[in-house]
Amino acid sequence: GQNIDQPTEMTATEGAIVQINCTYQTSGFNGLFWYQQHAGEAPTFLSYNVLDGLEEKGRFSSFLSRSKGYSYLLLKELQMKDSASYLCAVPFSGGYNKLIFGAGTRLAVHP
Amino acid sequence: GAGVSQSPSNKVTEKGKDVELRCDPISGHTALYWYRQSLGQGLEFLIYFQGNSAPDKSGLPSDRFSAERTGGSVSTLTIQRTQQEDSAVYLCASSPGTSGVGTQYFGPGTRLLVL
Repeated sequence: GQNIDQPTEMTATEGAIVQINCTYQTSGFNGLFWYQQHAGEAPTFLSYNVLDGLEEKGRFSSFLSRSKGYSYLLLKELQMKDSASYLCAVPFSGGYNKLIFGAGTRLAVHP
Repeated sequence: GAGVSQSPSNKVTEKGKDVELRCDPISGHTALYWYRQSLGQGLEFLIYFQGNSAPDKSGLPSDRFSAERTGGSVSTLTIQRTQQEDSAVYLCASSPGTSGVGTQYFGPGTRLLVL
């Protein structure tokens, strides 16, 4: 089967760095997505990793290790507006375009 | 429009009533998805349309749920005889490609409350 695990909640201080982990189990791997979702709003795309390693995009970076079934999202120079839920998702096995989502990690950034 | 739009934004209904939720995908996107998000939970896949192919309905939770996509564009999700456990945010997404994995762009969702 397929399963995604991520921490339920995290807190961090403005200006700091936070790492949000995601572990997944899937019988066939077709990449991993990270989405950001502010309360009451739609998820918005952050990153897509299909190869091992770190991909940096401004203050946000995403890392993937396929052998370990592990990814993390790294947020640097945290801002209050980064308070949101961060959703990890992988495509269903054999169904490239259907995503299975983790429950999300709710990040609270405080001054 | 520039993004995925959904209507209504909020819907309150009584148990046993039918509801219809609408999604307008991004123009030119061939793939359309419906997800459900219950309070504090992740997104649950419901149904997927790709072009003129038969939809993938494997995520629909019961036969009270159905969806159609007319003309390869607008989609309607219908829930018949609503139950309180149907209360959730229903999110629609679209993506451009027909092959491989495509980034999905989400609409703002319809918040359904069944009393």
